[in-house]
Amino acid sequence: GAGVSQTPSNKVTEKGKYVELRCDPISGHTALYWYRQSLGQGPEFLIYFQGTGAADDSGLPNDRFFAVRPEGSVSTLKIQRTERGDSAVYLCASSLRTSGSPDTQYFGPGTRLTVL
Amino acid sequence: QKEVEQDPGPLSVPEGAIVSLNCTYSNSAFQYFMWYRQYSRKGPELLMYTYSSGNKEDGRFTAQVDKSSKYISLFIRDSQPSDSATYLCAAEPYNFNKFYFGSGTKLNVKP
Repeated sequence: GAGVSQTPSNKVTEKGKYVELRCDPISGHTALYWYRQSLGQGPEFLIYFQGTGAADDSGLPNDRFFAVRPEGSVSTLKIQRTERGDSAVYLCASSLRTSGSPDTQYFGPGTRLTVL
Repeated sequence: QKEVEQDPGPLSVPEGAIVSLNCTYSNSAFQYFMWYRQYSRKGPELLMYTYSSGNKEDGRFTAQVDKSSKYISLFIRDSQPSDSATYLCAAEPYNFNKFYFGSGTKLNVKP
């Protein structure tokens, strides 16, 4: 496919459980972003990868959240000991990230996480 | 105070109306400004971006930035029912790596 894909589209889990959310960026895009969108709010930045490394993880709310991108393509967002407040849509975006120009980020459809 | 503020609406207009969507921001370092459209249960899709102050037109859409007043606008001419969605403004500092989004304005265009 040509766009950013995310799996699963929906995830229901119980408080305290561990979840993994996957993002498959557009082929060739070096930059990958994770955002969280709560109901009625705009996306909120979590973490940014340039290649395999996390260039900016300042948006991760606490140490229960972790993300990896081991081969510079697919990324996984991992949430430990989930809490009800983690319920939100988790969006992934990718871009070519050319220095000095506006960054055109292409978003996936999101994973809707519900923590019961 | 959020970095980018946006009136959540909802905004309801008849088909064919001119729509004005607005955001304000507080960070003088913002250089790039984007408008995204988000349909229900979908990811945001980029409509337009502008760099610094001025206007940019693309078909029925015009994006406007006034850096002196820290004000961002999106105008939609001849609005269509298919324009019904949530519109998100976003801003990015120069050569930075993350967007700051407004909370989104929900637009409903009635046939």
